[in-house]
Amino acid sequence: ETGVTQTPRHLVMGMTNKKSLKCEQHLGHNAMYWYKQSAKKPLELMFVYSLEERVENNSVPSRFSPECPNSSHLFLHLHTLQPEDSALYLCASSLAGGNTIYFGEGSWLTVV
Amino acid sequence: AQSVTQLDSQVPVFEEAPVELRCNYSSSVSVYLFWYVQYPNQGLQLLLKYLSGSTLVKGINGFEAEFNKSQTSFHLRKPSVHISDTAEYFCAVSPSGGYNKLIFGAGTRLAVHP
Repeated sequence: ETGVTQTPRHLVMGMTNKKSLKCEQHLGHNAMYWYKQSAKKPLELMFVYSLEERVENNSVPSRFSPECPNSSHLFLHLHTLQPEDSALYLCASSLAGGNTIYFGEGSWLTVV
Repeated sequence: AQSVTQLDSQVPVFEEAPVELRCNYSSSVSVYLFWYVQYPNQGLQLLLKYLSGSTLVKGINGFEAEFNKSQTSFHLRKPSVHISDTAEYFCAVSPSGGYNKLIFGAGTRLAVHP
């Protein structure tokens, strides 16, 4: 069992839908991350929140919109996605300034 | 900027044989080094990390890695693998200091055969 919980684990959505991925961490951390894992590509850092402030936005298209309402929760809002956005989206957390990141089990997203 | 190269995309090995998964990195600043493992349909689990001090680090499940600064390498080893070690292994670096910004290699698929 991981200290970082992601829901839903699997999501299928059409290109015109709006959906959200949710992440919750129970580790007392104050930095949270979204990574994207596509087939045949290295993991890509998408967003970083440290102390509830976005500190990294890695040239991610605006159809992905993160939200961090508090240090324990992180959302990724999705709208008008493309089929190439189908991937495993991994949430992670750490202490701000800490040296180790802990990952959730991921949300598998399929865009049809 | 940092980058990570995992030299083998796939490593097949027989059960109880030793294995080495290779990782090289480049960076203009000092870094922390990590190995993560991903079992099928799961997230990433931390195997071990190098922050400072002894260059030989031991992790979970009998794995160890050695940091070699002159060769900018951080190879992962296990003296005797099990079927259950079959998974994807990722090497990663993060600049020391500041918030974490893990940069991952492409991964090495370890396939352990009976």
